[in-house]
Amino acid sequence: DGGITQSPKYLFRKEGQNVTLSCEQNLNHDAMYWYRQDPGQGLRLIYYSQIVNDFQKGDIAEGYSVSREKKESFPLTVTSAQKNPTAFYLCASSKRTVSNQPQHFGDGTRLSIL
Amino acid sequence: AQKVTQAQTEISVVEKEDVTLDCVYETRDTTYYLFWYKQPPSGELVFLIRRNSFDEQNEISGRYSWNFQKSTSSFNFTITASQVVDSAVYFCALSEARENGGSNYKLTFGKGTLLTVNP
Repeated sequence: DGGITQSPKYLFRKEGQNVTLSCEQNLNHDAMYWYRQDPGQGLRLIYYSQIVNDFQKGDIAEGYSVSREKKESFPLTVTSAQKNPTAFYLCASSKRTVSNQPQHFGDGTRLSIL
Repeated sequence: AQKVTQAQTEISVVEKEDVTLDCVYETRDTTYYLFWYKQPPSGELVFLIRRNSFDEQNEISGRYSWNFQKSTSSFNFTITASQVVDSAVYFCALSEARENGGSNYKLTFGKGTLLTVNP
């Protein structure tokens, strides 16, 4: 079945360490997104990508980095510069980055600090 | 700037009760899109409905119905005869259709309403 796969489901980060969250989709969607969700909060956009080899900062990009080398894959790196990384991270994709296209989401990765 | 307000943080009902989740939005644009998503305990967001600003017809899908009223900038969601499986966090979201340096994708979420349906 088509969908979005995020891994791992749970991730722990040590101080000063960079960690990478994986997101893969087989929906043949052009656009991909990363969101951060904190308890009791809505989703906030970290980065998005409209096509391969292109990506743009969202509302809270500081301390994060991404790459888009393949259409199917959009990994997110949480760097040591992100001082408060504990959150639930959701990856999404859509046919295009236009406002009427619903975004489809993965199951999320829960990141915690050791 | 666009904004979505879900004033109900948590709602608890008993199975078979009807429940309405409120969503109020703010936007400067005349063309925009509204969405509802469901987030069950497993974590993924499930797309429920999309509505454009030119279509104020209410929509019904099984036990779910949506009431879109531009006059009050509201897009409320009603679950009829609720079931335990409806327990989840529900998010309302808004996207504007304006061209703005390629940022016409932007989806703004409300903070969500946690619905608990008790047996």
